[in-house]
Amino acid sequence: GQQVMQIPQYQHVQEGEDFTTYCNSSTTLSNIQWYKQRPGGHPVFLIQLVKSGEVKKQKRLTFQFGEAKKNSSLHITATQTTDVGTYFCAGPLYSGTYKYIFGTGTRLKVLA
Amino acid sequence: EAQVTQNPRYLITVTGKKLTVTCSQNMNHEYMSWYRQDPGLGLRQIYYSMNVEVTDKGDVPEGYKVSRKEKRNFPLILESPSPNQTSLYFCASSLSPPHFDRGRYNEQFFGPGTRLTVL
Repeated sequence: GQQVMQIPQYQHVQEGEDFTTYCNSSTTLSNIQWYKQRPGGHPVFLIQLVKSGEVKKQKRLTFQFGEAKKNSSLHITATQTTDVGTYFCAGPLYSGTYKYIFGTGTRLKVLA
Repeated sequence: EAQVTQNPRYLITVTGKKLTVTCSQNMNHEYMSWYRQDPGLGLRQIYYSMNVEVTDKGDVPEGYKVSRKEKRNFPLILESPSPNQTSLYFCASSLSPPHFDRGRYNEQFFGPGTRLTVL
């Protein structure tokens, strides 16, 4: 079945370093969403990308959607301790259903 | 306040004892889902609902049931819980299904989670 993998699974960075997580789907996605889950919390929506090659920025976060709409990335510039959490990409499945699939997530720890 | 509520937040039960986890949203959202979260596996969709009386299986529906008799409520039922259903469960809702490219209308709002332990 369709899978969405994220790498790395874990990442530890020093505060101020950059961080990138990559999301790869086995099939084309019509759109992709990114969520952040703080430790002990619930996922919170960050952004949605729709167009091939789309790039969106939110302050220190940059999101990209691949040209083939099968991969995406989230880059954080100059990480802060508030960036700690698990980042998930997610997208709708094709195939005549309205299922929704999440990636495996990347857990980010920021060392002060 | 716009929100998704779940109850209970924590539950310890024994194998075979039927239980229901409630989910309610006050945003008039059409699309609702249940997910389970397990370490290393991300969130996996159990069931989803497009609207009242319209429900369908997600990726891991075995052992679960749902109903959508009212737009705001989407309870998750475990008729005979087993230890492999020990997990963290999230209910989520969005105004529009995420498949329809409707910008912020696709945003899924999550409940606080229910941590279930089946002994």
